[in-house]
Amino acid sequence: NAGVMQNPRHLVRRRGQEARLRCSPMKGHSHVYWYRQLPEEGLKFMVYLQKENIIDESGMPKERFSAEFPKEGPSILRIQQVVRGDSAAYFCASSPTAEGPPEAFFGQGTRLTVV
Amino acid sequence: SQQGEEDPQALSIQEGENATMNCSYKTSINNLQWYRQNSGRGLVHLILIRSNEREKHSGRLRVTLDTSKKSSSLLITASRAADTASYFCATLSTGGFKTIFGAGTRLFVKA
Repeated sequence: NAGVMQNPRHLVRRRGQEARLRCSPMKGHSHVYWYRQLPEEGLKFMVYLQKENIIDESGMPKERFSAEFPKEGPSILRIQQVVRGDSAAYFCASSPTAEGPPEAFFGQGTRLTVV
Repeated sequence: SQQGEEDPQALSIQEGENATMNCSYKTSINNLQWYRQNSGRGLVHLILIRSNEREKHSGRLRVTLDTSKKSSSLLITASRAADTASYFCATLSTGGFKTIFGAGTRLFVKA
């Protein structure tokens, strides 16, 4: 049973480009959470999605950031027109229930570097 | 601000010593979890303690929870160099669905 899979593991983008981060939840999980981790800081909640629905996007910047979790396929976190401040590690977690990310169900993260 | 706040921010000890990290939070919680993150890696879940539990053990780990003080502690006994990592507490608020993380404690265990 594969864990939460994120790709790519590392992504380099120039300022102004788009970044697309993918998260495949564990099999049978229909709840996905995205977190951002800046260097030397903890994880900050961005968005919580269920299949085809955004439940809570209160932690996601209103501009340039969007997330989706289609009926088929991985969840996508999209950052348009990236800026240097977007450089961070982005983690995805999945759960089978709505009780928040349970133990061990985090992906390895995507490290975005904006140059 | 973040729900969970760990202290100390950094801790340096010798191999074999015990390491204690503390976490404070602000609202009522459903559960509190501790995670480890090795440099540049993902999160590894260590232990979950529910709001109606006061203490939990897992191997060399001991977690306590004091809901009256809204605080938790993680004790690692007989530390090893491989325990060097950042440790985060994370809380799930009562009735909520967002697990909120603190900024973490960076533990250095010197061989």
